[in-house]
Amino acid sequence: GDSVTQMEGPVTLSEEAFLTINCTYTATGYPSLFWYVQYPGEGLQLLLKATKADDKGSNKGFEATYRKETTSFHLEKGSVQVSDSAVYFCALSDWNTGNQFYFGTGTSLTVIP
Amino acid sequence: DTGVSQDPRHKITKRGQNVTFRCDPISEHNRLYWYRQTLGQGPEFLTYFQNEAQLEKSRLLSDRFSAERPKGSFSTLEIQRTEQGDSAMYLCASSRLAEKDYNEQFFGPGTRLTVL
Repeated sequence: GDSVTQMEGPVTLSEEAFLTINCTYTATGYPSLFWYVQYPGEGLQLLLKATKADDKGSNKGFEATYRKETTSFHLEKGSVQVSDSAVYFCALSDWNTGNQFYFGTGTSLTVIP
Repeated sequence: DTGVSQDPRHKITKRGQNVTFRCDPISEHNRLYWYRQTLGQGPEFLTYFQNEAQLEKSRLLSDRFSAERPKGSFSTLEIQRTEQGDSAMYLCASSRLAEKDYNEQFFGPGTRLTVL
């Protein structure tokens, strides 16, 4: 079945450091891929998405590229800020299997000044 | 429209009691999803509706769980004879009827259930 494997945390970085959170997926069809973010005390928010191979999703300085050949969707940001401290979830959904989301376990990021 | 809302935000109950949660999706959204999130884990799919029809249920949804969406608008999730293992955050999400290749779900704030 469909699944997502996400780099385990927690991750602690200094402000302005480079961020990579790895995500790989297994899917029988052609899924859409997503990164969701959960700030402390808040609900899940969509950060970025990619709907087909080689698409790059980007938002708020974060980027991720849909790599079909490596079944990956790694999240990157060139210079993190304290306000980026949150839990990040990689997810996929497949139109052919009802569009429910399959989430990774989440990666907690703490950015220190 | 203020997004997906859930009620209550927190529920504390004793083992063996029944609880019911409500979700109000974004008004024009046809699809409604329920997920469960335990501490340190990502959300896990429970069930989803397209309008009033319940189209899929995860094997996580034991016979103590039931969900309804009677008029295709709000939905309720009931847990009967609660167990301590039911303690979790219950998330609701909604989306438009998905076009092929794309589906964005909007999540509510969740209902945190604690079973004592």
